[in-house]
Amino acid sequence: QSALTQPASVSGSPGQSITISCTGTSSDVGSYNLVSWYQQHPGKAPKLMIYEVSKRPSGVSNRFSGSKSGNTASLTISGLQAEDEADYYCCSYAGSSTPWVFGGGTKLTVL
Amino acid sequence: EVQLVESGGGLVQPGGSLRLSCAASGFTVSSNYMSWVRQAPGKGLEWVSVIYSGGSTYYADSVKGRFTISRDNSKNTLYLQMNSLRAEDTAVYYCARDESGGGGFDPWGQGTLVTVSS
Repeated sequence: QSALTQPASVSGSPGQSITISCTGTSSDVGSYNLVSWYQQHPGKAPKLMIYEVSKRPSGVSNRFSGSKSGNTASLTISGLQAEDEADYYCCSYAGSSTPWVFGGGTKLTVL
Repeated sequence: EVQLVESGGGLVQPGGSLRLSCAASGFTVSSNYMSWVRQAPGKGLEWVSVIYSGGSTYYADSVKGRFTISRDNSKNTLYLQMNSLRAEDTAVYYCARDESGGGGFDPWGQGTLVTVSS
């Protein structure tokens, strides 16, 4: 099972919006509405930001939103803040034999 | 409070074995899908293994046949037995709960570092 494809880096200024893409195949992202997104600050454990494509866990800011079109899922962060600077990973269900696959990660820089 | 605490990491020689533990509090391990995810130094996240509430287990191809996931219901603890370790298994290993079964891993433990080196 190959890793999902994410851009290595994205950047934006405070207050702007950015979108991180996550491209898979018809065997994972394209077939299931089971895409999740994680934020990871240096030296810390990942934190769930979005699950099942567009659902936000309790306590996660509504500045974070998720969507999916075909084989590509997206995470949008609006009103960028300095504390949003982190690595972001997508994850998708990929079928019963090896259920989960992560993306390679995207480093978000807030300019 | 829902919490996961990993232990058991350390330095091991290639070909050696190690067992990681993940102690849960605030919820019942056996009633949830539980996964191990690892992160090699400076690299991204890699899903390793899952045990479903019904007991079914699945593994990434990179560890299949070498790693075994299990749980002890009386101790509310998840385990990962790692055998025939290789240098490329060097990573921080995290355990995580998937409450809905839909892949939303939450929470995560703090991680435990496994270093495979001679």
